[in-house]
Amino acid sequence: AQSVSQHNHHVILSEAASLELGCNYSYGGTVNLFWYVQYPGQHLQLLLKYFSGDPLVKGIKGFEAEFIKSKFSFNLRKPSVQWSDTAEYFCAVNSRDTGRRALTFGSGTRLQVQP
Amino acid sequence: ETGVTQSPTHLIKTRGQQVTLRCSSQSGHNTVSWYQQALGQGPQFIFQYYREEENGRGNFPPRFSGLQFPNYSSELNVNALELDDSALYLCASSLPLADSYEQYFGPGTRLTVT
Repeated sequence: AQSVSQHNHHVILSEAASLELGCNYSYGGTVNLFWYVQYPGQHLQLLLKYFSGDPLVKGIKGFEAEFIKSKFSFNLRKPSVQWSDTAEYFCAVNSRDTGRRALTFGSGTRLQVQP
Repeated sequence: ETGVTQSPTHLIKTRGQQVTLRCSSQSGHNTVSWYQQALGQGPQFIFQYYREEENGRGNFPPRFSGLQFPNYSSELNVNALELDDSALYLCASSLPLADSYEQYFGPGTRLTVT
């Protein structure tokens, strides 16, 4: 079975600080990887995704993530956070080996950016 | 293009009752998945429907059931509600299986069981 671990549960940063959120997954097959964001009072939105190819993927709002297959990791980064990045961030994975789209999510990281 | 919509927004039920939640998928999406998001946790997969058939199920008991209609909208039914069923229920739709692995989420239905 797949599982996803997000090690940082709550992160507090000042504006302009750099961000890195950890994500590790457990699955032996071929995976698709996602980062979703949930802003206060809003629904889950896709930040970025990795299916294949270049392991460094760029998403919306200046976010990027790097897939390191040997480490089963897909960490999210942003060089300079803004107050508007305050939100909950979820890493998720699904399998390319099955026809299902079911996502396995991590428990989330709450990011608080202080002005 | 209309996104994924869910109804109702909020719902309060009593333990032992039954509830039906509804979801309309994004235009052109024929696959619908349901997730339960308890407070402070990530969403957990309940089940998925593709062309009106269940196409996979997570670790949820049979009192969680669903339907998908010919227009690809979907319902989630929960019988014999328990206090632990209090959560945000999310619906997500996706394109035909061969095209994409992305899922697009609706705003959710907040269910409170008292």
